[in-house]
Amino acid sequence: GEDVEQSLFLSVREGDSSVINCTYTDSSSTYLYWYKQEPGAGLQLLTYIFSNMDMKQDQRLTVLLNKKDKHLSLRIADTQTGDSAIYFCAEGSARQLTFGSGTQLTVLP
Amino acid sequence: AAGVIQSPRHLIKEKRETATLKCYPISRHDTVYWYQQGPGQDPQFLISFYEKMQSDKGSIPDRFSAQQFSDYHSELNMSSLELGDSALYFCASSLGGDQPQHFGDGTRLSIL
Repeated sequence: GEDVEQSLFLSVREGDSSVINCTYTDSSSTYLYWYKQEPGAGLQLLTYIFSNMDMKQDQRLTVLLNKKDKHLSLRIADTQTGDSAIYFCAEGSARQLTFGSGTQLTVLP
Repeated sequence: AAGVIQSPRHLIKEKRETATLKCYPISRHDTVYWYQQGPGQDPQFLISFYEKMQSDKGSIPDRFSAQQFSDYHSELNMSSLELGDSALYFCASSLGGDQPQHFGDGTRLSIL
């Protein structure tokens, strides 16, 4: 079955870049997603990448996809305290999403 | 543009009671999905509907049922509630089954 894995924690200093990594197993995924969840809040779609792309950039966010290694990363440039949250990687196929366990990003002043 | 709307935002029930959660998708979106997120866990897919027909089924208990109506809104019906049903329930919608899913803010269900 599908499996999505992420490291659980990441701490960075304000102004530095953050890189959150994710690996997945289902090569039939059409899209791969990054969602942000703040405490007690919903899932905010940050960005997504179509499976035939290698990279997507959206303002401070850069998504890199290595299909051969089934590895997805999210880079946040100039990380701010408001970026502190849990970041979920998800892969989408067959009309449902499978989420990773989430990476808790802590931004230190 | 309005996003996915879920109601209620919070719901408190007792064991063995029933609950109904509602989801109003983004305008023109024809596919809705339900997910359950337990405390400290990642969201788990429950069920989805495309054009008012069930399209996929995940880890939805037999005590739960759902449907999508002619106006594309969806309801998740939960019966014989158990303590373990306490969770955040998300609805998501998309235009077609293979397009990005947009999530609502969720309904927090607490079972006492």
